[in-house]
Amino acid sequence: RKEVEQDPGPFNVPEGATVAFNCTYSNSASQSFFWYRQDCRKEPKLLMSVYSSGNEDGRFTAQLNRASQYISLLIRDSKLSDSATYLCVVREFTTDKLIFGTGTLLAVQP
Amino acid sequence: SAVISQKPSRDICQRGTSLTIQCQVDSQVTMMFWYRQQPGQSLTLIATANQGSEATYESGFVIDKFPISRPNLTFSTLTVSNMSPEDSSIYLCSVEDLMGRRTDTQYFGPGTRLTVL
Repeated sequence: RKEVEQDPGPFNVPEGATVAFNCTYSNSASQSFFWYRQDCRKEPKLLMSVYSSGNEDGRFTAQLNRASQYISLLIRDSKLSDSATYLCVVREFTTDKLIFGTGTLLAVQP
Repeated sequence: SAVISQKPSRDICQRGTSLTIQCQVDSQVTMMFWYRQQPGQSLTLIATANQGSEATYESGFVIDKFPISRPNLTFSTLTVSNMSPEDSSIYLCSVEDLMGRRTDTQYFGPGTRLTVL
């Protein structure tokens, strides 16, 4: 089983739609969680950290479910500019390293 | 966050040759890392670049193939040695913990796109 698993997509959604991505992680001791965004041929950039209580940043909401070991990202009112690959990232507890999922591709259509 | 630059941004190389990639940060950082992202794949950590000492390599990566230098707190190099087409990838440096300030996660350079013929 991969340490961090994501549905690769692609998710094709119309502008204005709400879309949600899930990510599961295998190490229950993992402590820090993040969503990164990677545009085509660009480097990954931090979108948001994921806190235990859940957190929101504008149209983006991230949630953590420790019992089920999954993380979610909800995007409301999708924009064309949201089209990108969204990487789920988990910080390993014992080594402190970041473990990256393979990413979920989102394509927002006009 | 820090401003990170990498050189070269891209290169096409012949097999058997070596390429050195530079990573420069505009502020001192505690931690610097080198990752590889192969086509259609996610990021894989190659090694942690330690200032003033040998890099710490991940399983599957060795110093002879990927020698790393980190002479100071703002600069590191990664060399891809004796290249083969399988080394074609994007190589990214990242940083964590700007000196005096703990960062929650890592920030990435723009990457070096390497094609080996």
